[in-house]
Amino acid sequence: AQTVTQSQPEMSVQEAETVTLSCTYDTSESNYYLFWYKQPPSRQMILVIRQEAYKQQNATENRFSVNFQKAAKSFSLKISDSQLGDTAMYFCAFEDFGNEKLTFGTGTRLTIIP
Amino acid sequence: DTGVSQNPRHKITKRGQNVTFRCDPISEHNRLYWYRQTLGQGPEFLTYFQNEAQLEKSRLLSDRFSAERPKGSFSTLEIQRTEQGDSAMYLCASSLRSGGEKLFFGSGTQLSVL
Repeated sequence: AQTVTQSQPEMSVQEAETVTLSCTYDTSESNYYLFWYKQPPSRQMILVIRQEAYKQQNATENRFSVNFQKAAKSFSLKISDSQLGDTAMYFCAFEDFGNEKLTFGTGTRLTIIP
Repeated sequence: DTGVSQNPRHKITKRGQNVTFRCDPISEHNRLYWYRQTLGQGPEFLTYFQNEAQLEKSRLLSDRFSAERPKGSFSTLEIQRTEQGDSAMYLCASSLRSGGEKLFFGSGTQLSVL
């Protein structure tokens, strides 16, 4: 069974700084998808960024980028120029190719300090 | 596009009672998912539908749980004879396609079993 590990329960950073959230996963599959979802206090999960495992290029979405290390099974999220609105729980998630369900990590609570 | 809607937002019930939650997905989305999230954990997959067909159920979904999606539109999740361990947030999500597609989540139904 796939597992997703987020080893940082909480992090905080000053506004405008850069922060990196860690995620590792365990799978025997070679084709899969990885995601970072954000869950603000409003509770609604929002997709931040996704990565297809067969693509070597790291995904980027504006201030958000990932460092995908397939051999190490590592998928970290970098948030540049952090903003107060980035304060939320961040969940790393894994989806096996051909499987419809996401496996989530336990999350990292990120606080942006003004 | 009004997003994924879940009702009620909060539900408090006594142990042994039955409860039903409703999810209205984004109208053109044929895939609908239910997840459960307990405090301090990431969401856990419960079940999913492609149109009206329920295609996969997690082992977490005991025989007290039943989900339906009549006519491939809204979905209901019923829990019979609730137990205190059922207390959690129940999240619904929908997507247009499979294969690493972005999930659109609702704001969840927070269930408290007293």
